[in-house]
Amino acid sequence: DTAVSQTPKYLVTQMGNDKSIKCEQNLGHDTMYWYKQDSKKFLKIMFSYNNKELIINETVPNRFSPKSPDKAHLNLHINSLELGDSAVYFCASSVGTGNTIYFGEGSWLTVV
Amino acid sequence: QKEVEQDPGPLSVPEGAIVSLNCTYSNSAFQYFMWYRQYSRKGPELLMYTYSSGNKEDGRFTAQVDKSSKYISLFIRDSQPSDSATYLCAMRSANDYKLSFGAGTTVTVRA
Repeated sequence: DTAVSQTPKYLVTQMGNDKSIKCEQNLGHDTMYWYKQDSKKFLKIMFSYNNKELIINETVPNRFSPKSPDKAHLNLHINSLELGDSAVYFCASSVGTGNTIYFGEGSWLTVV
Repeated sequence: QKEVEQDPGPLSVPEGAIVSLNCTYSNSAFQYFMWYRQYSRKGPELLMYTYSSGNKEDGRFTAQVDKSSKYISLFIRDSQPSDSATYLCAMRSANDYKLSFGAGTTVTVRA
């Protein structure tokens, strides 16, 4: 059973398009995250939700909009994609501010 | 200056060697320290977690935290080719959901 699953795993799209990445966790966790990993493997948090409430909103262009319909799901919608958005996006979850954060397998986004 | 500094390597060692990884940080509020392992094309997975200063051992892995020097280390004894991965340090302050990551060190263990 996959604990944190995200779709799609690979996504190639043109500049200016709008795309979404979906994430689901079956661990019963109450906190979910979106992280971005750039080409140098540097992981940086973008957003976090606790019980569907936005608790972390880092300096991210407002073209990125997260949505958490319930505790088990956290989706990421990106408008007007730019070349610089190409990266790996990881969804993750934890219990509260838990130190055991479970990551998904990542979604490889390439903007051409 | 980044909050967490980690030498990206790459680091190549022969099988059986001790791998030594480290990170330095600038935020004295950090209290929780973690090491994640990330295989190619996979998500990071938690290896070790340490609270405040001290040592923690788990099998072939030992994590050390020196808060006075703002320095953390991970040692891998008797390294195996299956240990070849990128190792990321991460840390956070109390009651903070935000983890700050190092850039990751890529390790290759040669058979």
